[in-house]
This record gives sequence, structure tokens and C-alpha cells, in this order.
Amino acid sequence: AQRVTQPEKLLSVFKGAPVELKCNYSYSGSPELFWYVQYSRQRLQLLLRHISRESIKGFTADLNKGETSFHLKKPFAQEEDSAMYYCALLKVPGNQFYFGTGTSLTVIP
Amino acid sequence: DGGITQSPKYLFRKEGQNVTLSCEQNLNHDAMYWYRQDPGQGLRLIYYSQIVNDFQKGDIAEGYSVSREKKESFPLTVTSAQKNPTAFYLCASRRQGADNEKLFFGSGTQLSVL
Repeated sequence: AQRVTQPEKLLSVFKGAPVELKCNYSYSGSPELFWYVQYSRQRLQLLLRHISRESIKGFTADLNKGETSFHLKKPFAQEEDSAMYYCALLKVPGNQFYFGTGTSLTVIP
Repeated sequence: DGGITQSPKYLFRKEGQNVTLSCEQNLNHDAMYWYRQDPGQGLRLIYYSQIVNDFQKGDIAEGYSVSREKKESFPLTVTSAQKNPTAFYLCASRRQGADNEKLFFGSGTQLSVL
């Protein structure tokens, strides 16, 4: 079975501090992983995907197949980063997206 | 604020009643999804459809039904068999192709039981 685990429901950091949101997955195939974000009163939207190896809004995420992890990191948190973050896995074939339970990040001014 | 539209924003269901949640997209996306969002449980997949007239069950399909008669529309019916329907429901769509990983979400429907 495919499963995505986000162990932290709530995470608070001070502005300017580093932040890491954890995501672990279990999947028998080759995973495609994503981070989605939901800002207050906005729709859930894609933040980044592992195959692009990109940095979006200062966030990066590296796929570690040995540890089956896809943690989201940012070296210096900003207040506007406060949001709900979901890690997601795409099952191929089948095109099913599986989401974790989410982590609510609060950046304290 | 176009793209994918869910209606109504709030919906109330009486005992034994079936209710239908609407999801419409004008993005010409092939795939559409329904998720249920409960506090502390994240998003759980109810049904998804990759093409018109075809759909598959997700992890929690019991008590729900869908149809995909048009590419633009993927309505979800919450039947009386769903014993705990109170939740926030999200619809999403995705284009097949080079950029096919990206899900576009609607703004959601909050369903409550009277």
C-alpha cells in the first residue's frame, strides 16, 4: 500500500530561523513526490515537485530513497510562510495522488 | 477566480438523504478527483476519473457515487449509506501530459448533517 506520513501536525518557528517539515513515504514503485501548500483563505496549490529539483519561495526538498523521505526545508523562515503544508505521492500507473495528514506551520515574528 | 469551481460552498444533509456536490472545470483537464478532508486526517481519495465515462474508487469510496458524463463535470453524490458525511470535500483536476503532475484544486464544499 502507498502511504505518506507527516509526523508533525503543528510546527512553530521564529522568523529567520531554519525550518524543516518532515515527510516519509512507503511505496513499492519509483515515487513521484510533491509538496502542496494552503495559505489562509486560499486554495490548495502546488509548491514544488521532486523531479524538478527546483527552489520555490526559498523552499527545497530532496528525495532520499534510502530513508524514504522527502523533507521540505527553508534556511530562513518568513512570516508569509505560515500555512498548511501537505506532502503528496503520485502512484503511477493509476494516476492516484496520496496525501499526508498535513503540517500547520506558524512563523512567529 | 476561474478554472475549477465547486458548489455549493456549504451544504446540509438530512438523515437518509442523498446530496450531490458539483465540480466543474474549464481547464480542459482529463483527470478529476474527489477528496475528503477531515481534521487531523489530511486528504483522502474518494473517487477519481482519468477520462470521460470512466472512474475508479479511491480509498474511501463506500457511501459515495460519481459520474463523468462530460469532461468538464465530475459530480459527487453522498448517499444515505455514508454514515459520517460531515467533512470538507475538495475536487481537483489535472492535465495529462508533460506537466501532468500538477493538481488544480477547487475551493471546497463543507457538508454538514442536520
